[in-house]
Amino acid sequence: RKEVEQDPGPFNVPEGATVAFNCTYSNSASQSFFWYRQDCRKEPKLLMSVYSSGNEDGRFTAQLNRASQYISLLIRDSKLSDSATYLCVVNGRDSSYKLIFGSGTRLLVRP
Amino acid sequence: EPEVTQTPSHQVTQMGQEVILRCVPISNHLYFYWYRQILGQKVEFLVSFYNNEISEKSEIFDDQFSVERPDGSNFTLKIRSTKLEDSAMYFCASSEGQVAPGELFFGEGSRLTVL
Repeated sequence: RKEVEQDPGPFNVPEGATVAFNCTYSNSASQSFFWYRQDCRKEPKLLMSVYSSGNEDGRFTAQLNRASQYISLLIRDSKLSDSATYLCVVNGRDSSYKLIFGSGTRLLVRP
Repeated sequence: EPEVTQTPSHQVTQMGQEVILRCVPISNHLYFYWYRQILGQKVEFLVSFYNNEISEKSEIFDDQFSVERPDGSNFTLKIRSTKLEDSAMYFCASSEGQVAPGELFFGEGSRLTVL
């Protein structure tokens, strides 16, 4: 089983749509969870941290289900500028120094 | 806004040559990292560095790789004898505290092409 698994997509949605990404992780001891965004040939940028209680930042909502080892990201009212690859990230097995990245889910928002 | 800067942005080298990639982390950050991303693949952890020593390294980070903080500002990744499979984008990152729950700031990357 992959350490962090994501649907690669692409998700092709119209502007204004709501889209949800899912992610599963294998290490039940992971304590930190993030969604990063990566534009083509650019560096990853932190979108938001994910907390057990769930958290929201504008149009973005992240949820964590520790029992199922499942993380989600919901984007409401999609904008053209949301087109990117969304990376699910968890901290490593034995240490907090190491981040494990998923392969990413590609989102294309069309006019 | 403070940022992590990396040089060079692109380096082309012959197999077997030594390469040094340079990074200037954000000034008040204490933890430094190198990650790499082979084209079309996921971002992979290489090494973390704190208090002038390696705190963790991955299986990828073998004896061909080394890191150094030669002065108060630079953080370098050296590949002693490059192989074709070292071709990738190398990202430097820094964080104020440990990753959890801190935020990791990435540089724009150095693209290494080994011929």
